[in-house]
Amino acid sequence: EVQLVESGGGLVQPGRSLRLSCAASGFTFDDYAMHWVRQAPGKGLRWVSGISWNSGKIAYADSVKGRFTISRDNAKNSLYLQMNSLRPEDTALYYCVKDDVATIPSDGGLDVWGQGTTVTVSS
Amino acid sequence: QSVLTQPPSASGAPGQRVTISCSGSSSNIRGNIVNWYQQLPRTAPKLLIYDGNKRPSGVPDRFSGSKSGTSASLAISGLQSADEADYYCAAWDDSLNGVVFGGGTKLTVL
Repeated sequence: EVQLVESGGGLVQPGRSLRLSCAASGFTFDDYAMHWVRQAPGKGLRWVSGISWNSGKIAYADSVKGRFTISRDNAKNSLYLQMNSLRPEDTALYYCVKDDVATIPSDGGLDVWGQGTTVTVSS
Repeated sequence: QSVLTQPPSASGAPGQRVTISCSGSSSNIRGNIVNWYQQLPRTAPKLLIYDGNKRPSGVPDRFSGSKSGTSASLAISGLQSADEADYYCAAWDDSLNGVVFGGGTKLTVL
């Protein structure tokens, strides 16, 4: 079964850091690009960041550029999101998402979604 | 304020056909593929339409996608109560160098 399981969310104060992890299984992880997509409470989907199969290409939304870092470890079938200088507006459910192509820019569909991990930034 | 513009809501009676529009620009929809996602209440989103008008395994052919210029549309025929969900369009944006989503359309089956 193809599966993505996120972890690492929680309650954090503004200005602090948090690292999200995503464990992938059921598919050849290093064949595909991966993304983080977030959804604030009651709001729509917002793409956060994407990384190509070999980490050679990486992209970020302007709202997180310079604060968030995406990375992957293909040997561990894992995707990560290091989030620094967190702001209240970063509060959201963060989804780990598989692309159906290997690289970015991507015209691929985001074909596998995890259940998400909740990040709450509040004092 | 999303880069892609969708109507916030749509509705139709069971059995009817409904379309959801998605308006973008030359940096996203015109030159790139549009994908559509369905998010049922309290669940993760699911890929509904990819590569413009292809359906993943398990998605019924009642769902179809199309594109013209800087706009795209999702059509749902033979509406069912199970189709009540939020629907999102998405595409790569060459100027922003990232994926952009529409704001989502909440579909109600009357």
